[in-house]
Amino acid sequence: KQEVTQIPAALSVPEGENLVLNCSFTDSAIYNLQWFRQDPGKGLTSLLLIQSSQREQTSGRLNASLDKSSGRSTLYIAASQPGDSATYLCAAPSSGNTPLVFGKGTRLSVIA
Amino acid sequence: DAGITQSPRHKVTETGTPVTLRCHQTENHRYMYWYRQDPGHGLRLIHYSYGVKDTDKGEVSDGYSVSRSKTEDFLLTLESATSSQTSVYFCAISEGGGAEAFFGQGTRLTVV
Repeated sequence: KQEVTQIPAALSVPEGENLVLNCSFTDSAIYNLQWFRQDPGKGLTSLLLIQSSQREQTSGRLNASLDKSSGRSTLYIAASQPGDSATYLCAAPSSGNTPLVFGKGTRLSVIA
Repeated sequence: DAGITQSPRHKVTETGTPVTLRCHQTENHRYMYWYRQDPGHGLRLIHYSYGVKDTDKGEVSDGYSVSRSKTEDFLLTLESATSSQTSVYFCAISEGGGAEAFFGQGTRLTVV
């Protein structure tokens, strides 16, 4: 059974800093991994999807990496802005057609 | 944005009453999911569907039932609501096979 962990639960950084959010998973036969953003009281917005055959995926200031052998994924945010403040969630299935299992998220605060 | 609509968006109901939440999609995706999100627990899978009339249980399915009579609609029913079912409920859709998942805006349910 896939288990996903995100540490730390909360993070506060000054504006402009580059930062890394961590995600670990237990089943290394991971099919893919998806990063989401959630603003307070809102739904989840998909940020990046990394397939098991990929090492990383980029979208704007966001870069996600996947290391199956170590059971880790990281989300790198460059030049952070106050608008990046949100909760970031990672999720993974055990196989292609099984539902996503979520970590509990990292709540990011970017201070102006 | 993916075409997912959840209704109602907010509901207050009394203990012991039946409640039905609706998820409607316009993307013709095969897979649909119901999750609940609670502080300290994160997102947990309730039930999911992999086709019309094809459903399966998730991690926290007790007290819930689902139905999918059309590709576009996935209903979640609380047969007899309890205070422990007070939560935010999210619907998600996916094409399956490791494709990206998309979430609705959520339904906030309060059982008093």
